[in-house]
Amino acid sequence: QSVLTQPPSVSAAPGQKVTISCSGSSSNIGNNYVSWYQQLPGTAPKLLIYDNNNRPSGIPDRFSGSKSGTSATLGITGLQTGDEADYYCGTWDSSLSAGVFGGGTKLTVL
Amino acid sequence: EVQLVESGGGLVKPGGSLRLSCEASGFIFDDFNMDWVRQAPGKGLEWVSSITSGGSYKYYADSVKGRFTISRDNAKNSVSLQMNSLRAEDTAVYYCAREVGLGTFYFDYWGQGALVTVSS
Repeated sequence: QSVLTQPPSVSAAPGQKVTISCSGSSSNIGNNYVSWYQQLPGTAPKLLIYDNNNRPSGIPDRFSGSKSGTSATLGITGLQTGDEADYYCGTWDSSLSAGVFGGGTKLTVL
Repeated sequence: EVQLVESGGGLVKPGGSLRLSCEASGFIFDDFNMDWVRQAPGKGLEWVSSITSGGSYKYYADSVKGRFTISRDNAKNSVSLQMNSLRAEDTAVYYCAREVGLGTFYFDYWGQGALVTVSS
């Protein structure tokens, strides 16, 4: 069981918007920055969002991140079939002195 | 160009040992913490271990504490993971990742992964 909780799956039609939630506690999300990763089938994870809401260069602004209290959210607008992937949230847990990830969310673009 | 290349994966019997290595290039290696993250077949990401830029501090997931040891050689731009007393549940793809620390925590570059299979 993961320290951070994500929905197992989400789906939406091409062109639509989807959000993926990530729930934690005061020892992780509540007091540390959150990052998000995209993992396409058969490939290594790729950084999408860092420090709650910042995009690395090369990541389109269709991807956004936010954080409130002990939860974080990844938003994807203008969905494309190429966005079909697994998405993970991650952060540091100060009580565990360990990195933690959510269980992952599979995005299906119908 | 930042590159992380893992090596050392393979098939090992339960109770056995294996050493993974990750060679880094394209950046100033001793400016960054380095981590290992694993992914069991069909499962999600699991953080395994982290080592600070100078090698002074090391952190481990509870699932590997006492069995795995992370180390680095800044002269050779490499980080290693010594895995002992391996169990079937350690079967996974192991990724080397560059950690951006210092007040934050995220992984901006990942290797391609090394498969470790623990089976008799």
